[in-house]
Amino acid sequence: SAVISQKPSRDICQRGTSLTIQCQVDSQVTMMFWYRQQPGQSLTLIATANQGSEATYESGFVIDKFPISRPNLTFSTLTVSNMSPEDSSIYLCSVAWWGRRETQYFGPGTRLLVL
Amino acid sequence: ILNVEQSPQSLHVQEGDSTNFTCSFPSSNFYALHWYRWETAKSPEALFVMTLNGDEKKKGRISATLNTKEGYSYLYIKGSQPEDSATYLCAFPRYNNAGNMLTFGGGTRLMVKP
Repeated sequence: SAVISQKPSRDICQRGTSLTIQCQVDSQVTMMFWYRQQPGQSLTLIATANQGSEATYESGFVIDKFPISRPNLTFSTLTVSNMSPEDSSIYLCSVAWWGRRETQYFGPGTRLLVL
Repeated sequence: ILNVEQSPQSLHVQEGDSTNFTCSFPSSNFYALHWYRWETAKSPEALFVMTLNGDEKKKGRISATLNTKEGYSYLYIKGSQPEDSATYLCAFPRYNNAGNMLTFGGGTRLMVKP
């Protein structure tokens, strides 16, 4: 298993600004993922962030809007750029190790409200 | 696009009641099905990873079954307690060179009244 922390835990931001969310893991992990849950919606994958390679974005998500860094095996950041009220969501990072049946472990989430 | 559905969306039960809910998923190219429990302001907690048709897994008062041929899984809670109140999520993984990505259902929100 893994212990995952996220910063900030919550924030209220003005439209047009950007917020960087940090994800820290207590052990080295191969895969890190970023998800979001908009109000009333399912948890949706934004991108996969593996160290040593560029992030892989899901359909509907682009690097200019959600730039991701993965400088080492225990840390990643997700930036929500040029925010609008539609970006108000819970953002979660998760980690996993290679293996088709391995579970993923999630951080506590960042609750973002954009005014 | 993978279609993972959960029903019901929400459920209100009395303390002591037993309850169950459903997750349906694509029956082709099955590898695993994940169940999570998500309490407000906490991390989603992994409950089970189901892999074999006919699998039944148990954790305390919570158990899950799996039917890969027809594409559904049931989660059961026996003798619900107020601390069971949470959103229960199922997720279907897909794999590529980047990793194993989870497609989540919409969740079942369970509220247990004392």
